[in-house]
Amino acid sequence: GQNIDQPTEMTATEGAIVQINCTYQTSGFNGLFWYQQHAGEAPTFLSYNVLDGLEEKGRFSSFLSRSKGYSYLLLKELQMKDSASYLCAVMDSNYQLIWGAGTKLIIKP
Amino acid sequence: GAVVSQHPSWVICKSGTSVKIECRSLDFQATTMFWYRQFPKQSLMLMATSNEGSKATYEQGVEKDKFLINHASLTLSTLTVTSAHPEDSSFYICSARTPAGLEAFFGQGTRLTVV
Repeated sequence: GQNIDQPTEMTATEGAIVQINCTYQTSGFNGLFWYQQHAGEAPTFLSYNVLDGLEEKGRFSSFLSRSKGYSYLLLKELQMKDSASYLCAVMDSNYQLIWGAGTKLIIKP
Repeated sequence: GAVVSQHPSWVICKSGTSVKIECRSLDFQATTMFWYRQFPKQSLMLMATSNEGSKATYEQGVEKDKFLINHASLTLSTLTVTSAHPEDSSFYICSARTPAGLEAFFGQGTRLTVV
């Protein structure tokens, strides 16, 4: 079966750095997405990785290792507005998105 | 990025009635749209894939006669929850991909409460 695993909840301090991990087992691979979802809102796109390595975009970076079935989202200089759920999703061989359950990130002052 | 508009944002209806949710791609043509349901503290669950001009493809366990999907144009897909029950109360979200891309763009979501 297809499976995406990510921690249920994480807590970090404002101004700090946090890494949210995602491991996956899917039928084929056409890229991995990270989305941010604030409570009661729809997800918004953060990043897309299809090749191994680190993609940096401002305070957010995303890493992929296809051989390990592993990705992480790195958030630097955390702000209170970063409190949200972070969803990992993998596009399988049929170009269907397989979603993780999401990681709720709590930022404390 | 591309814009997907979903309407209404929230709706309260009586048990037994039907509710229609619209999903529009505003600045691109979407041959395929996706309908998701999300219960509190859970992930997105794909309900169906809506294809313009043809029947929708439903995921296992999703009742076709209860969740009617119509994709009559390249910019509009509708989801109708028929004979709604309180257990249908949930957050419904549509998404679409541009013809050239893989990134999914989401509508704002619809919070449905059945009383």
